This record gives sequence, structure tokens and C-alpha cells, in this order.
Amino acid sequence: ELKVEQNPLFLSMQEEKNYTIYCNYSTTSDRLYWYRQDPGKSLESLFVLLSNGAVKQEGRLMASLDTKARLSTLHITAAVHDLSATYFCAVDTLIIQGAQKLVFGQGTRLTINP
Amino acid sequence: GAVVSQHPSRVICKSGTSVKIECRSLDFQATTMFWYRQFPKKSLMLMATSNEGSKATYEQGVEKDKFLINHASLTLSTLTVTSAHPEDSSFYICSARQWGTYNEQFFGPGTRLTVL
Repeated sequence: ELKVEQNPLFLSMQEEKNYTIYCNYSTTSDRLYWYRQDPGKSLESLFVLLSNGAVKQEGRLMASLDTKARLSTLHITAAVHDLSATYFCAVDTLIIQGAQKLVFGQGTRLTINP
Repeated sequence: GAVVSQHPSRVICKSGTSVKIECRSLDFQATTMFWYRQFPKKSLMLMATSNEGSKATYEQGVEKDKFLINHASLTLSTLTVTSAHPEDSSFYICSARQWGTYNEQFFGPGTRLTVL
């Protein structure tokens, strides 16, 4: 059974600092996603990572994937208050009997203080 | 990215009534849609996979008679919470998978259900 674990679950940081959120998963998968969720809202897609060594960047966020280590990271550079949100990673199960579903990590609640 | 809508966005109902939530893929056809439930400050919990033209596949512990799912067309899935009780109050989110390079799931805006 695929399990996805994020670390840390809570992160309070100051503006202009850098930090990394980690996402570990337990079994082989061919794609990993990062999402952002603001309070009371649904999920916003940030990144889709397909292959080993994949790196994607958007603004102050950069995501990478190491399929051998079953690890993805979401790196925040020079944080700003607008990035305060909950961040989820999710991993696709392999297709079994035509079915494929996402397994989510617990989420990391990020608070950025002025 | 592709757009998924949900309706209603918020519903308040009395205990014992049934509530229907609609999930539509607006600009693509979705043979597979998913229904999630999210408790406050928790992650998303998959309730069921909705397959167009066939029965939904429910996750372990989810009552199929309580949460009725219908996926009658390639752009619409509905979730009906039957005889709702206060413990059914939650944030319900649907998603639709767009098959392609990324096989990405696109999420609806969610429905906040409050059962009095």
C-alpha cells in the first residue's frame, strides 16, 4: 500500500528566509504532484513531476523529484507572506486493473511572518 | 489547466435530509472522477472513484448507501449524501482526471456541507 509522508507538518518562518518541505513515498510511482490550499479553498496545482531528476520552478517555489530515493522536495526561496498556505504532495498509484488514484501526504501548514 | 466546477459551493441542511452535489468538467471529458472529503486541518480522504457508465468504486469504510455516486455522462458526476446527519458535515471536493501526458487530476472548488 502506497504511503506518503510530509515533513514538517507545521512550518513558521520569517520573510526572506529559505526553507524546504520534504515528501517521502513508500512504493514505486511514475508521477508526483504538489498542491497549494488556502483556508476554505480547494486545491491549486503547483507542479507535476514525472521523472527522476525532474526539477520545476515557478517564482519562489522549486520542486524536485528523486525516484530512487522516493523523495520530492519543495523549496521556498526568500519567502513572502503571500506564500502562507497548506502545501500537499500527492503520488499516483500504479495502474491496477485500470484504476489509478492519488495518495496525499498529511500537508504542511506554512506560515510566513513579516 | 482544465476547469472543474462544483455546485453548490455551500449548503446548510437539516438532519435527515438528502443533499446532492454536482461535479462538472467544463472543458474536457472525464471518464473518471473522484470524490474526496476533508476534515478541518486534515488532508484529503478519497471516498470513491466515479466511473462513467458504471458503478463507483468506494474506499474501505465509506458507506455506499450513504454516499450515492452517479456518473451518467462524461462531464458530470453527482454525490448524494442521503439522510444527512451532523457527522456528515465536512468539505467535499471532487476532481476529474484528464488523461494525457500528465494524467493530472483537476480539482473542483469544493462544497461546504453543514448539517444541523
